[in-house]
Amino acid sequence: DADVTQTPRNRITKTGKRIMLECSQTKGHDRMYWYRQDPGLGLRLIYYSFDVKDINKGEISDGYSVSRQAQAKFSLSLESAIPNQTALYFCATRNGYNEQFFGPGTRLTVL
Amino acid sequence: AQSVAQPEDQVNVAEGNPLTVKCTYSVSGNPYLFWYVQYPNRGLQFLLKYITGDNLVKGSYGFEAEFNKSQTSFHLKKPSALVSDSALYFCAVRDRDPLSGGYNQLIFGAGTRLAVHP
Repeated sequence: DADVTQTPRNRITKTGKRIMLECSQTKGHDRMYWYRQDPGLGLRLIYYSFDVKDINKGEISDGYSVSRQAQAKFSLSLESAIPNQTALYFCATRNGYNEQFFGPGTRLTVL
Repeated sequence: AQSVAQPEDQVNVAEGNPLTVKCTYSVSGNPYLFWYVQYPNRGLQFLLKYITGDNLVKGSYGFEAEFNKSQTSFHLKKPSALVSDSALYFCAVRDRDPLSGGYNQLIFGAGTRLAVHP
């Protein structure tokens, strides 16, 4: 869905490198989320934000950090990437009706 | 703690036949229940939700789901499957935290791959 965009779409990096994944949205939603998807595990919540000043840890926040630069932008950083962070990462927004809207995903490979 | 289970990794169905994708949940209070679909190389798309009201909810692309409180289930159904329905389907749940009174974040099941054969 073009309303939620993620960059890059694919990234290969090496262990120990710092990586930033970016998310932008034009839906005007305050709530934004970062998830990772692993085969057989579904989606797990990393961080979420209710507005620019409100950042919250999710189920699996260790090894990750986030920044909410504006209502429309929410970036995820891996300070020192490790191989078990290889996954598909999704950004999402949520409207006032509890419906989430997902970006196309970023496939990250850590060698 | 809230949790959601999708007992089938994959469901196979012939085109034109009815389909069911199963979901069961465990929550402390009244659940909000959702179905999302993921097509290849795409993000998840919202299909339908149950918040309150009628137990049978209708969503996008002809899908529907029935909330069954006694069986703690929210199975996804469609009367006549299409090949284009082939995708990965996720059930998700959120409920109210009994201690804080606030709503917990969405928890997703592991996903069920639906394969519709011509």
